[in-house]
Amino acid sequence: GAGVSQTPSNKVTEKGKYVELRCDPISGHTALYWYRQSLGQGPEFLIYFQGTGAADDSGLPNDRFFAVRPEGSVSTLKIQRTERGDSAVYLCASSPASGYTGELFFGEGSRLTVL
Amino acid sequence: QQQVKQSPQSLIVQKGGISIINCAYENTAFDYFPWYQQFPGKGPALLIAIRPDVSEKKEGRFTISFNKSAKQFSLHIMDSQPGDSATYFCAASNAGSSNTGKLIFGQGTTLQVKP
Repeated sequence: GAGVSQTPSNKVTEKGKYVELRCDPISGHTALYWYRQSLGQGPEFLIYFQGTGAADDSGLPNDRFFAVRPEGSVSTLKIQRTERGDSAVYLCASSPASGYTGELFFGEGSRLTVL
Repeated sequence: QQQVKQSPQSLIVQKGGISIINCAYENTAFDYFPWYQQFPGKGPALLIAIRPDVSEKKEGRFTISFNKSAKQFSLHIMDSQPGDSATYFCAASNAGSSNTGKLIFGQGTTLQVKP
């Protein structure tokens, strides 16, 4: 498809479990972002990749959260020992170029529910 | 200092009316101010954006007004239509020095346009 693709669209897990969320950006987009959106709130920045490297991970809330982008395309957000407070929609976005400040193209998100 | 404050939280407008959403920021290094529109179950999508070298930008029925000295900007939707019913987010970024394109989002405004 032409847009940012995120899988799964919905994930229900139990407290303490490990979760992986996948993002497939628009082809050719070098910049990739993860955001977290809690109910009734705006997206909150988590991490930014330029190519394969995490250029800014200042938004990751703690060391249970980790993200990779090994080949500079698909990215995976990994959450260890999930807590109920991790329940949110995790949004991925990509943009065309290095350091580009312009349109971020968002996926539809992965809704994570931690029971 | 990284916050973007948005108001109102919700807004109801009659069809044909003007919808106005306001945002304020503190970080004077912000130099890019987009508005995103989000429909339920979808990711945010860029609506319109402005840079601080202009005080107003208009695209169709959507206008951004920007007041640099007051550190405020607003979205005006003219001739509001039921199809405009969505959640609107203002955002800001500091492209000049950080060069990451990372956006800081406001809390969102849920707009309902009544037929």
